[in-house]
Amino acid sequence: AQSVTQLDSHVSVSEGTPVLLRCNYSSSYSPSLFWYVQHPNKGLQLLLKYTSAATLVKGINGFEAEFKKSETSFHLTKPSAHMSDAAEYFCVVSEGNNDMRFGAGTRLTVKP
Amino acid sequence: DVKVTQSSRYLVKRTGEKVFLECVQDMDHENMFWYRQDPGLGLRLIYFSYDVKMKEKGDIPEGYSVSREKKERFSLILESASTNQTSMYLCASKVQDTYSYEQYFGPGTRLTVT
Repeated sequence: AQSVTQLDSHVSVSEGTPVLLRCNYSSSYSPSLFWYVQHPNKGLQLLLKYTSAATLVKGINGFEAEFKKSETSFHLTKPSAHMSDAAEYFCVVSEGNNDMRFGAGTRLTVKP
Repeated sequence: DVKVTQSSRYLVKRTGEKVFLECVQDMDHENMFWYRQDPGLGLRLIYFSYDVKMKEKGDIPEGYSVSREKKERFSLILESASTNQTSMYLCASKVQDTYSYEQYFGPGTRLTVT
């Protein structure tokens, strides 16, 4: 069965500095991987997805993630944080159509 | 744009009450899901439905039931609410397509059971 581990429960960065949110996954097959973002009092929004095409995936709002099979990682990055990036981020792995496994979440704080 | 709506943003119920959480999607999606979100645990799947009147248990179905009488509507039922069911509940929907994985989420219902 697949699973995902988000290595940091909380990340704090200053505005304008790079963001790195770490995610490791476990899967018996070739998984699909996702990052979702949840702003306060809002539902989850898809940031980006990897589904066995290019290993470097670009998403919305300047975020990107790189699928590294050898390291079983799918870390989320952004070159320059903005105040509006403050939110909770979820890494998700899926081996099948209706089976998505969510990480515990990483809360990103952006300091002015 | 896909829109998934949930009947209440905040709900307060008493222990032992029967609670209904409603979810409606407007994109004719076949699949619908109910998740529970708790701090430090991420989202956990309670039930999902792949067609009208069809349902499958997720990882934590105990204490919950669901109903899907129409394609666009998926209801989560707490037969007798308990304090350990205090949580954020998220509904999602997606197309029935082998190559489409994205789920679209509603804004959530924060349920407090006292």
